[in-house]
Amino acid sequence: GENVEQHPSTLSVQEGDSAVIKCTYSDSASNYFPWYKQELGKRPQLIIDIRSNVGEKKDQRIAVTLNKTAKHFSLHITETQPEDSAVYFCAASPTNTNAGKSTFGDGTTLTVKP
Amino acid sequence: GAVVSQHPSRVICKSGTSVKIECRSLDFQATTMFWYRQFPKQSLMLMATSNEGSKATYEQGVEKDKFLINHASLTLSTLTVTSAHPEDSSFYICSAGQQETQYFGPGTRLLVL
Repeated sequence: GENVEQHPSTLSVQEGDSAVIKCTYSDSASNYFPWYKQELGKRPQLIIDIRSNVGEKKDQRIAVTLNKTAKHFSLHITETQPEDSAVYFCAASPTNTNAGKSTFGDGTTLTVKP
Repeated sequence: GAVVSQHPSRVICKSGTSVKIECRSLDFQATTMFWYRQFPKQSLMLMATSNEGSKATYEQGVEKDKFLINHASLTLSTLTVTSAHPEDSSFYICSAGQQETQYFGPGTRLLVL
């Protein structure tokens, strides 16, 4: 089955700096890669996603890049703010049909210091 | 956007009792829903895939007789933790899929005394 590895497990940055979280996956059939943000005690929220036919996607301060050949994808947050502090999960899904089953990384705890 | 609700949000029960958790997709139909368990500071562990009108598919190591799943309609899946014990205490989250994207419920925090 699919295996997703996520690094680093914890990341601390100063407000205004950039943060980068990296994930690798093993199943070449995976073609959908979402990123979720989870605040303490709350549900994971989709913040951005990318499909395998795209190399990069950006939404304001958040961007995701995908290298399908190397089987890795990354989340980039620029101009970080204290409210960006949360746990971030990457995921990989091997199907683009309805309700594909995702495999999640172990999460990265991001702390943005004011 | 897609909204998923979960009920109850928090439950405390005595050891040996059963607890039912409901997961509903409010504004879309979901033939497939997923149930996860999350321990503090850990990732989401997939327990089972709930399929509307058929049996759930359980992940390796998850006891199907312990965690009963019913997906009776396109908008409702239930997870029943039978004969709960303290080690079952955890945060249980469901998700419902719309195309590839999964939308999560708010979670249920279960504490078994």
